[in-house]
Amino acid sequence: GAVVSQHPSWVICKSGTSVKIECRSLDFQATTMFWYRQFPKQSLMLMATSNEGSKATYEQGVEKDKFLINHASLTLSTLTVTSAHPEDSSFYICSATGTVSSYEQYFGPGTRLTVT
Amino acid sequence: AQSVAQPEDQVNVAEGNPLTVKCTYSVSGNPYLFWYVQYPNRGLQFLLKYITGDNLVKGSYGFEAEFNKSQTSFHLKKPSALVSDSALYFCAVRPQYNFNKFYFGSGTKLNVKP
Repeated sequence: GAVVSQHPSWVICKSGTSVKIECRSLDFQATTMFWYRQFPKQSLMLMATSNEGSKATYEQGVEKDKFLINHASLTLSTLTVTSAHPEDSSFYICSATGTVSSYEQYFGPGTRLTVT
Repeated sequence: AQSVAQPEDQVNVAEGNPLTVKCTYSVSGNPYLFWYVQYPNRGLQFLLKYITGDNLVKGSYGFEAEFNKSQTSFHLKKPSALVSDSALYFCAVRPQYNFNKFYFGSGTKLNVKP
C-alpha cells in the first residue's frame, strides 16, 4: 500500500514551452502533497505544499507563476513548469501524506526534466 | 531554526561489516524522525521512523536506528552490510508543531564493497 506514481518519468522539452507533471496517490487519499526539486548529488529542496482544494503554499524563492501547482482531487496533483528554460532542468519528486499514515511522506519515483 | 545534519557525504564499508550512517537534528518540541533511501534516478523509499516509545526502531531490509534525545541524534545502523545497500540515504525530521514541514539532511552516499 501507499503507492505514489508520477508521470512522465522523464521528459525533454524545448526552451519556452510548458510541461506538466502528474503525481497520483494510487491506493490512499492524499490530503497533502509536496513537490521537491533535486539537483545532482544534492538533497531535496521543497518547492511547495498543497492541500486538496486549496492554493499551494510556495517556499521562499520559488516562483509561483512559473511553477503552477494544482491539487484538484485527493489523488492527483500536477506541477506545470511554464516557459521552461534550461536552468529548470532537474529531477522533480512529489510526495504525499494522507489517510494511510499521517506521519511519513510517500514519494513518487520522480520525473527527470531536460530543457533544451 | 529547524535543521538536520548528516556529517558524512560518503560512508564506505566492506560487505558483511556493520554500518552506521549518522544524523543529528535541531527541532522545536518532540521530533518525528525518518530515514529514507534513494537509488539512482528513483524517488525516496521509506526505511523507518521514530514517533514515540522505544528508542531503538527497526525498519525495512534489516536497518535500525537509535533515537538519542540527549545527543539529538538518530543514527541509522545495520549489523551486516550488503552490496545492494549501496545507495543515497536521507535523514528527515518533521517538527511536532509544524506538521506540513519535512526537513531533510544533505544525504549520505553509502558504498558497500564486496
